[in-house]
Amino acid sequence: DAKTTQPTSMDCAEGRAANLPCNHSTISGNEYVYWYRQIHSQGPQYIIHGLKNNETNEMASLIITEDRKSSTLILPHATLRDTAVYYCIVSRPTGAGSYQLTFGKGTKLSVIP
Amino acid sequence: NAGVTQTPKFQVLKTGQSMTLQCAQDMNHEYMSWYRQDPGMGLRLIHYSVGAGITDQGEVPNGYNVSRSTTEDFPLRLLSAAPSQTSVYFCASRSLAGPSRMDEQFFGPGTRLTVL
Repeated sequence: DAKTTQPTSMDCAEGRAANLPCNHSTISGNEYVYWYRQIHSQGPQYIIHGLKNNETNEMASLIITEDRKSSTLILPHATLRDTAVYYCIVSRPTGAGSYQLTFGKGTKLSVIP
Repeated sequence: NAGVTQTPKFQVLKTGQSMTLQCAQDMNHEYMSWYRQDPGMGLRLIHYSVGAGITDQGEVPNGYNVSRSTTEDFPLRLLSAAPSQTSVYFCASRSLAGPSRMDEQFFGPGTRLTVL
């Protein structure tokens, strides 16, 4: 699976958009980009994933560059509850339609009042 | 739905002891997996299963055994605990069916294990 690079930490003012970057310059054509987050010591929580096109759901938007070498997770209106470690993961399908997630160290996002 | 449940929440073992971490899901998911998370680190995959009777190794399988006799349960066994296995263990599951086979994994709340 392709390696990802994320900033160690970021701050964001409450109510503003949080933009979390991720570099994955060695991504292959059939590899997806996933974002998960982990609040304090809880289990990770799925946010969003995409292959080529930009994606949006009720939690966030995912912007993938045309060459797919980087992406940005956008939390449109950050709240204090969004303070967490955010993981950008690149994964390819394996046998039986499965895939594996390899978690790096992620970005620690702190939302400031 | 209870989602993914894990027991116990906390456990202290002595070196050489054995124990089983329990994981259950009530979503009829085919895929289940175990991760460990060490302080300041991301999650590392230990073992996974794509269905009852099928298991495979992940990134860090040594010292751990798994079995999958039912769709719902995926226990993780430590045969002879070592201090290096002190960690937080997360179980996860997801569906392999449906319109999108690449969707989210659901994680349990974790088991915090200390080996003395």
